[in-house]
Amino acid sequence: QKEVEQDPGPLSVPEGAIVSLNCTYSNSAFQYFMWYRQYSRKGPELLMYTYSSGNKEDGRFTAQVDKSSKYISLFIRDSQPSDSATYLCAMKGGTNAGKSTFGDGTTLTVKP
Amino acid sequence: KAGVTQTPRYLIKTRGQQVTLSCSPISGHRSVSWYQQTPGQGLQFLFEYFSETQRNKGNFPGRFSGRQFSNSRSEMNVSTLELGDSALYLCASSLVRTSGTYEQYFGPGTRLTVT
Repeated sequence: QKEVEQDPGPLSVPEGAIVSLNCTYSNSAFQYFMWYRQYSRKGPELLMYTYSSGNKEDGRFTAQVDKSSKYISLFIRDSQPSDSATYLCAMKGGTNAGKSTFGDGTTLTVKP
Repeated sequence: KAGVTQTPRYLIKTRGQQVTLSCSPISGHRSVSWYQQTPGQGLQFLFEYFSETQRNKGNFPGRFSGRQFSNSRSEMNVSTLELGDSALYLCASSLVRTSGTYEQYFGPGTRLTVT
């Protein structure tokens, strides 16, 4: 079983929809949780970086972390065609604190 | 400001050869991390360097190594290349600001093909 499982998608939504992207994990030592966006043929872009449980909002993006359930989510409000990309969750913490473990990614398409 | 640069962008090597990839971080960033991305295994952490010292390491064989120079530029080396080493190799530079904000930026990657 993988340490980080990400909803595989692909996901296709109409413009303006609310998008929910989700990951579960098994390692309770994880303390830092990240979401990345990766456009085709580009390097990933860090969208959200959160520590421990709770919510963090940045513009149209909200990251939620529930450590008790080992579950994290990224919500995108008022989705735009420019949000079409692959989204990767990642997390780190514990004895090898700087080693990030990534989900496999969810490909999102927002249709105009 | 200039982003993270990686050279070369594309590389074709033969099994058994070795390869060196280079990464120049954003000015002021002292931490550089390396990653391997493949369709089968996804994005995997290789190692992280900070102030010329390897700070963290992923689960890769010893054929994968790296170093960081005093100007924060970093190189990674893969010796005795195998077909399975064909991948996009990404580096990222990062910084924790005094405010506690974490910044991380990825380069465009080096596409390595092993034949």
